Amino acid sequence: AQSVTQLGSHVSVSEGALVLLRCNYSSSVPPYLFWYVQYPNQGLQLLLKYTSAATLVKGINGFEAEFKKSETSFHLTKPSAHMSDAAEYFCAVSDTGGFKTIFGAGTRLFVKA
Amino acid sequence: DTAVSQTPKYLVTQMGNDKSIKCEQNLGHDTMYWYKQDSKKFLKIMFSYNNKELIINETVPNRFSPKSPDKAHLNLHINSLELGDSAVYFCASSPGTTRGTGELFFGEGSRLTVL
Repeated sequence: AQSVTQLGSHVSVSEGALVLLRCNYSSSVPPYLFWYVQYPNQGLQLLLKYTSAATLVKGINGFEAEFKKSETSFHLTKPSAHMSDAAEYFCAVSDTGGFKTIFGAGTRLFVKA
Repeated sequence: DTAVSQTPKYLVTQMGNDKSIKCEQNLGHDTMYWYKQDSKKFLKIMFSYNNKELIINETVPNRFSPKSPDKAHLNLHINSLELGDSAVYFCASSPGTTRGTGELFFGEGSRLTVL
């Protein structure tokens, strides 16, 4: 069975500081991994995805994530936070069949001026 | 043009009533889903349809009945609503196994409040 653990339900950073959101996964098969962002009162939107190509994945809005098999991690980073990055972020894992995506519990990112 | 659209956006109803949520996608995807997001933002898959065929049913009470009249539409009907059904319900679609990697495209959600 697959699962995702996001460490930290809330993360607060200052504007311009590094953003680091942590995600660890469990999967018995090579996984597809995703980060989604949810702004208030909206649906989820894909930030980036890992599909067994490059281990460092670049996404939209300056975010990137690195797949580390040895650590079963897929942490999300952004060098410099912007106020508009304040949102809920979800890490997710999908099996190679692609039909079932399991989401982590989410991490709320706060950005202070 | 909205890729995945759900209606209505808000529903407020009494316990015991029946309600429906409709979803349509214009992306040409083969697979559609219903997810439930609770008050703590936890997202849980409920159903998945591939080319109108039910492929995932995650131990959802049978008061919930999805229907897919064609691969662009997936509706959700809920009978005998209970307080615990209050949540945001998201419809999503994906290209399908032969063409995709599980990336999901979400609608904006339908917030259901049961009083």
